Amino acid sequence: AQKVTQAQTEISVVEKEDVTLDCVYETRDTTYYLFWYKQPPSGELVFLIRRNSFDEQNEISGRYSWNFQKSTSSFNFTITASQVVDSAVYFCALSPLTGANSKLTFGKGITLSVRP
Amino acid sequence: DSGVTQTPKHLITATGQRVTLRCSPRSGDLSVYWYQQSLDQGLQFLIQYYNGEERAKGNILERFSAQQFPDLHSELNLSSLELGDSALYFCASSDDRGLKDGYTFGSGTRLTVV
Repeated sequence: AQKVTQAQTEISVVEKEDVTLDCVYETRDTTYYLFWYKQPPSGELVFLIRRNSFDEQNEISGRYSWNFQKSTSSFNFTITASQVVDSAVYFCALSPLTGANSKLTFGKGITLSVRP
Repeated sequence: DSGVTQTPKHLITATGQRVTLRCSPRSGDLSVYWYQQSLDQGLQFLIQYYNGEERAKGNILERFSAQQFPDLHSELNLSSLELGDSALYFCASSDDRGLKDGYTFGSGTRLTVV
């Protein structure tokens, strides 16, 4: 069985602060994908990143960066110099890399509020 | 526009009724997934189809059913609706396993049961 835990439920920061969203996962699969999705107030789910379990290199995309640590089963997401437009619910998700079942297992999500 | 089209965007119906939610996947994607998002349960996987065949089933109630048609669009049928079925229903599509571009989600159908 797969499980994704996002222990933080709500985070509030002031604009320009850095913020890290935590994600811890459990899986018996030896190969898997990890994802982050953003859900703004408008409701759609926006794909942010996918990493596979082979690749533990950290990734940076503009103000966003991701830290994948297989040893601690964590895939944390940092927003640098946060902006009001970053206010959204952020979901971490997991899927197997092999096998017939490729469904995503989501965490409960973290509500991020960025105040001006 | 993500390329995944869900209709209708909003649906209000009474308890006991039956509704059909429709999803057209992104061009070229063979897999379609249905998810339910409610306040208390979060995002729950319901069912997956791949090229017309059911591939995986999650916490889908017996009152719910789905299918994927030869043109790859999918429909989720919800019957004998209860107040607790009120939720946002998402459809997602992918190439097999989301290898190429991940999973693309539609904008969702917000179902309100009154």
